[in-house]
Amino acid sequence: EPEVTQTPSHQVTQMGQEVILRCVPISNHLYFYWYRQILGQKVEFLVSFYNNEISEKSEIFDDQFSVERPDGSNFTLKIRSTKLEDSAMYFCASRVGVEGAFFGQGTRLTVV
Amino acid sequence: SQQGEEDPQALSIQEGENATMNCSYKTSINNLQWYRQNSGRGLVHLILIRSNEREKHSGRLRVTLDTSKKSSSLLITASRAADTASYFCAVIFGGTSYGKLTFGQGTILTVHP
Repeated sequence: EPEVTQTPSHQVTQMGQEVILRCVPISNHLYFYWYRQILGQKVEFLVSFYNNEISEKSEIFDDQFSVERPDGSNFTLKIRSTKLEDSAMYFCASRVGVEGAFFGQGTRLTVV
Repeated sequence: SQQGEEDPQALSIQEGENATMNCSYKTSINNLQWYRQNSGRGLVHLILIRSNEREKHSGRLRVTLDTSKKSSSLLITASRAADTASYFCAVIFGGTSYGKLTFGQGTILTVHP
């Protein structure tokens, strides 16, 4: 069964460092998303991406965040200067159309 | 807030019993989806119900949607210990079916063997 793949599964970084979270969506999907989940809290929308551009972003997705689809298969989330409060599980999701989104297993980001 | 909100927050049952979780929201939706999350893992899509549908089944899952009450329920019949997980409803608001998912806080289901 096709799946969304995220790497790394766990990343520890120093505050102020840049991190890149990587995702390989399902190959024929058209819509891509990043969500995050702070421990014990609800899943929060960060950004959606369609047709090689951001289609919607939340208030969380400030200038420290960026997304890219560099080569037609990967979909990355970059955090330029990490803060302690960026520690969370980050989920990538993709969907082909009107059916439900497929989520990856997540990257646990720990900022120390 | 507009988000889907589930209740109860936690549910503990015995294997074989049915589990019912509810979700409410405040504005019109395009569709409502239920997801499952095992501890520390990703979200698994269970079922999607569109705003013009009232009930859907998938295996042991039954989802209902009442747009007049802005609420949905997820019923898991004949529960198993392996059903232990967090269950989230997520809605897409408005006229588009491609928008962002807005998640509720989730229901933690524990099924005792």
